[in-house]
Amino acid sequence: QVQLVQSGAEVKKPGASVKVSCKASGYIFSSFPINWVRQAPGQGLEWMGWIGVYNGNTQYAEKFQGRVTMTIDTSTDTAYMELRSLRSDDTAVYYCAREVVVPALWFDPWGQGTLVTVSS
Amino acid sequence: DIQMTQSPSPLSASVGDRVTITCQASQDIKNYLNWYQHKPGRAPKLLIYDASNLQPGVPSRFSGSGSGTDFTFTISSLRPEDVATYYCQQYDNLPSRTFGPGTKVEIK
Repeated sequence: QVQLVQSGAEVKKPGASVKVSCKASGYIFSSFPINWVRQAPGQGLEWMGWIGVYNGNTQYAEKFQGRVTMTIDTSTDTAYMELRSLRSDDTAVYYCAREVVVPALWFDPWGQGTLVTVSS
Repeated sequence: DIQMTQSPSPLSASVGDRVTITCQASQDIKNYLNWYQHKPGRAPKLLIYDASNLQPGVPSRFSGSGSGTDFTFTISSLRPEDVATYYCQQYDNLPSRTFGPGTKVEIK
């Protein structure tokens, strides 16, 4: 079945970087973009950005411009999201989600989420 | 950027009640709106796409309507397993795929 499996929880110090992976299976990886969404404790879902798996094009939410990099490895059907200069308010569960564009645009499925804790 | 608002939050209702959540966009987004259900510790799940289309496999007690700036999500008869936070998401203003702030639905 179509599935996205993310890497495990991370604990980082302020100022460090984190790289979360998202391995796809059950579909043609290059046919669907991947989005990254996060949820901080007690907060809602926040869209971070998008990567076109076919060509590697990226679009980031303005809030994360300059601090986030999304990449893909088509040899392993894996997407990555790296966030740099971590702060305590980056503590959140990070999700990857496949973007379906026909007949409409939606996210499905989602990965199981990766908890990133930023603490000194 | 398009801003999304939702109301009410939280929402407390009894089993069997009809529950309605509203989502408002700061500008016309046509019908480019999705609804997701998010339970704690689980991945979000798509329920409705294009404002009113039920995703296959989703129970028919869930429905959506609206266009332009005002949208409604309804659970016709609330069940205990519907306890979750519900989010609207716009995709008219690409590349942004903004979510609303969410509505937490609880059982009274």
